[in-house]
Amino acid sequence: ETGVTQSPTHLIKTRGQQVTLRCSSQSGHNTVSWYQQALGQGPQFIFQYYREEENGRGNFPPRFSGLQFPNYSSELNVNALELDDSALYLCASSFWTGYQETQYFGPGTRLLVL
Amino acid sequence: AQKVTQAQTEISVVEKEDVTLDCVYETRDTTYYLFWYKQPPSGELVFLIRRNSFDEQNEISGRYSWNFQKSTSSFNFTITASQVVDSAVYFCALSHNNDMRFGAGTRLTVKP
Repeated sequence: ETGVTQSPTHLIKTRGQQVTLRCSSQSGHNTVSWYQQALGQGPQFIFQYYREEENGRGNFPPRFSGLQFPNYSSELNVNALELDDSALYLCASSFWTGYQETQYFGPGTRLLVL
Repeated sequence: AQKVTQAQTEISVVEKEDVTLDCVYETRDTTYYLFWYKQPPSGELVFLIRRNSFDEQNEISGRYSWNFQKSTSSFNFTITASQVVDSAVYFCALSHNNDMRFGAGTRLTVKP
């Protein structure tokens, strides 16, 4: 039990639609990261938010965007969904102190794009 | 560029056997962090260990042990006396400046 929760657990969308995934961070954690994990692969870093500002981004197009709220919960938004967006989306929270701290992952949201 | 290689795609052992999961990394940074995570079928990544690049001391935690060698850029993970509950996918990861890169993972199956 990491204290990180995600919703929904599963989601089915059609190509071209938009989706919002939600993450509730572990209490006291000021940093949240989002990852995409395609079937049979390791997680790929999407972006990270620290104190409501984007603090690093992986190789993902602008249609992947995020928000972090004052209570440190966050959202991942994906516009114009493509079939390849089908994956497990993981969020991870940590307490950033200037050094890389341990990230605690949520159970993920499984997104299927048809 | 940062890269993590887990050459073993799948490993199958019989309960009580020892097993080592290999991890080789590439980075030009002198300060970085290495991680191991376990991913059971439920999908949640479970944190196992974090080491920074300046600490090469090996670590043991119960049946788990880690061997960090900067000379060979490796951070291998050994499970002693494996159990069925150890069956999962294990990921090695490298992080620098919040950019965390995962290996492709090693699927470990422990048979009774």
